[in-house]
Amino acid sequence: DIRMTQSPSSLSASVGDRVTITCRTSHSIDPYFNWYQKKLGEAPKLLIYGVSSLPSGVPSRFSGSGSETDFTLTISSLQPEDSATYYCQQTYSTPWTFGQGTKVEI
Amino acid sequence: EVLLVQSGGGLVQPGGSLRLSCAASGFTVSNNHMSWVRQAPGKGLEWVSIFFIDGNTYATDSVRGRFTISRDTSKNTLYLQMNNLRPEDTAVYYCARGHPRGPRVDWGQGTLVNVSS
Repeated sequence: DIRMTQSPSSLSASVGDRVTITCRTSHSIDPYFNWYQKKLGEAPKLLIYGVSSLPSGVPSRFSGSGSETDFTLTISSLQPEDSATYYCQQTYSTPWTFGQGTKVEI
Repeated sequence: EVLLVQSGGGLVQPGGSLRLSCAASGFTVSNNHMSWVRQAPGKGLEWVSIFFIDGNTYATDSVRGRFTISRDTSKNTLYLQMNNLRPEDTAVYYCARGHPRGPRVDWGQGTLVNVSS
């Protein structure tokens, strides 16, 4: 299985801050890489797919980058509604594994 | 409007069975990749099983041979039959529409499965 290592496991930032979350995979997997947002009591939300593409409706303050085994999620200006846990995911090969999550507190 | 309405969760003893349902509206289940994803309490996400458009299925190692994904086209509903349940299967289970690679994944509201004696 492809292992996913996310960092940090949690962070605290202020409204308006630039926030960066990283994910390292055990194998080269691009472009089959996603980011998810998960809020307590809600279903996951696909935030980024294909490393850097935004699904319709996702705010442009979210961006993804990276290649091969190292990937980054950036929130350019943190908003109160961004308080959530963020997960990276590889869809290169089954099982489609997730990182352990990064909890973002405002 | 795409809507996925889940039912069928609850408390079950170890070794027991449950069937989860995911009733779809606004689209046709058989024309979409359909999945089950779970999150154990305090843990991360795990992609459990998928029913591909072409009829092939996949289940992750931890549930293979115990869980079966299926669909009923006449009811436009996705199912997850869970047998020989274990305490470690305790989780909120979500159904999802769309290929894991995107560009769009729609989700049900989630249903709690609690495996406990």
